[in-house]
Amino acid sequence: GAGVSQSPSNKVTEKGKDVELRCDPISGHTALYWYRQSLGQGLEFLIYFQGNSAPDKSGLPSDRFSAERTGGSVSTLTIQRTQQEDSAVYLCASSLVPPDRGYEQYFGPGTRLTVT
Amino acid sequence: TQLLEQSPQFLSIQEGENLTVYCNSSSVFSSLQWYRQEPGEGPVLLVTVVTGGEVKKLKRLTFQFGDARKDSSLHITAAQPGDTGLYLCAANNDMRFGAGTRLTVKP
Repeated sequence: GAGVSQSPSNKVTEKGKDVELRCDPISGHTALYWYRQSLGQGLEFLIYFQGNSAPDKSGLPSDRFSAERTGGSVSTLTIQRTQQEDSAVYLCASSLVPPDRGYEQYFGPGTRLTVT
Repeated sequence: TQLLEQSPQFLSIQEGENLTVYCNSSSVFSSLQWYRQEPGEGPVLLVTVVTGGEVKKLKRLTFQFGDARKDSSLHITAAQPGDTGLYLCAANNDMRFGAGTRLTVKP
């Protein structure tokens, strides 16, 4: 079956513009995660969705960042008024079960965002 | 929030050498995972360790979970250039990853 897909693969935007990044998780996976990875760095947790529960937004760096997950499937990460420090690879992952039940995260290839 | 510390941060070795990387925390985990990320791709799960003291082998990779379930190690025997990548650990009940060990194996 298809893995996690993300679009676009690359996005170049001007400082101050809004961007939307899309994630299509594996069908049937109830959990969805967004991470940010700056050049040469590890993964920074952003937000987590589990089923119909309220998302865990504890990793969002500022109120310019928001995400939604429609119908328990596709998710969109929105960054408003982009800044140069937002430049990074944004990774999406999904898993069949929540983290506390022992899970494997399947990652997409990421969206490379460059803010000029 | 559990803090996972990985060491070393960077490691550059010659093909054929052995190496060990570590993932440590002050918290107890019920399970811990190791992922490998190659350039331009998302991380891929290598193994999940569940039982204190558990040792799992995946070809030339040996994973160990500490007896107290607060730490884990990954040992690679006779490293190959294909082992190059970022090795990340993650605790089962937290979405946060360690900062990773960036391994380069030179031919």
